[in-house]
Amino acid sequence: EVQLVESGGGLVQPGGSLKLSCAASGFTFSGSAMHWVRQASGKGLEWVGRIRSKANSYATAYAASVKGRFTISRDDSKNTAYLQMNSLKTEDTAVYYCTRPCIAAAGTNCYWGQGTLVTVSS
Amino acid sequence: EIVLTQSPGTLSLSPGERATLSCRASQSVSSSYLAWYQQKPGQAPRLLIYGASSRATGIPDRFSGSGSGTDFTLTISRLEPEDFAVYYCQQYGSSRNTFGPGTKVDIK
Repeated sequence: EVQLVESGGGLVQPGGSLKLSCAASGFTFSGSAMHWVRQASGKGLEWVGRIRSKANSYATAYAASVKGRFTISRDDSKNTAYLQMNSLKTEDTAVYYCTRPCIAAAGTNCYWGQGTLVTVSS
Repeated sequence: EIVLTQSPGTLSLSPGERATLSCRASQSVSSSYLAWYQQKPGQAPRLLIYGASSRATGIPDRFSGSGSGTDFTLTISRLEPEDFAVYYCQQYGSSRNTFGPGTKVDIK
C-alpha cells in the first residue's frame, strides 16, 4: 500500500524558513517523481513543484509563485522528499500535500499524503 | 503558464441528475494531459480522470471525461449522494502543472 506522510509544518514568521519532509513507503520511491501541492484554507489547489527521479536527472520545476524561494529535493536512501521553503510570506499559509503520480499517468497526483499545515504569521 | 478556467463555479443539482462540468485552458493542453479530481471536506483530493478521458483505478463508470485542445468536460451521468463535492481540473502537459479554481457540486 502506498503511504505518504508529511511532517515539519508549523508556525513561522514572515521572512522565515521551514523544511517539510515526505516519508514514502509501499512503492519503489527511487523510480518515482514526487510533487508538492498546497491548499489555503477554504481555497483551491495550487501545484507547488516536483522533482523527477534519478533516471530523469532529478529535474525540478516550480510554480511561478514559489520559484526562487522554494527548493524540492529527495534522498532516495531514506525514501523521503523534501520541500525547503525560504523567504516565507503570509500568502504561503496552507496545507501542504506531497503526492505521487500514477504509473499510467506521469505528472498526475494519484496518491496523496494527509497534509501538513504551514502558518506564516507574526 | 497555462491558466485553467472552470465553469460553473457552483452547480446545484439533485441526486440522479446529470452533471456537466467545464474546464477551459488558456492555450492548448499538450497530448490531452488533463486530469480531474474530486475533493470532499476534510479530505485530500482523489484523482478521477487522466489523459482527458481515462478513468483512474476504482472510479465508477458514471464519471466520464472528454475534450481536447483547450476545452474539456467532466460528466457525471447520474449523481449519487457521495458525488456532492468540489471538482478540480489540472493540466500536466507543461513543465508547470496548474489547477483550475474548482466547481462545487451541491445538493439542490
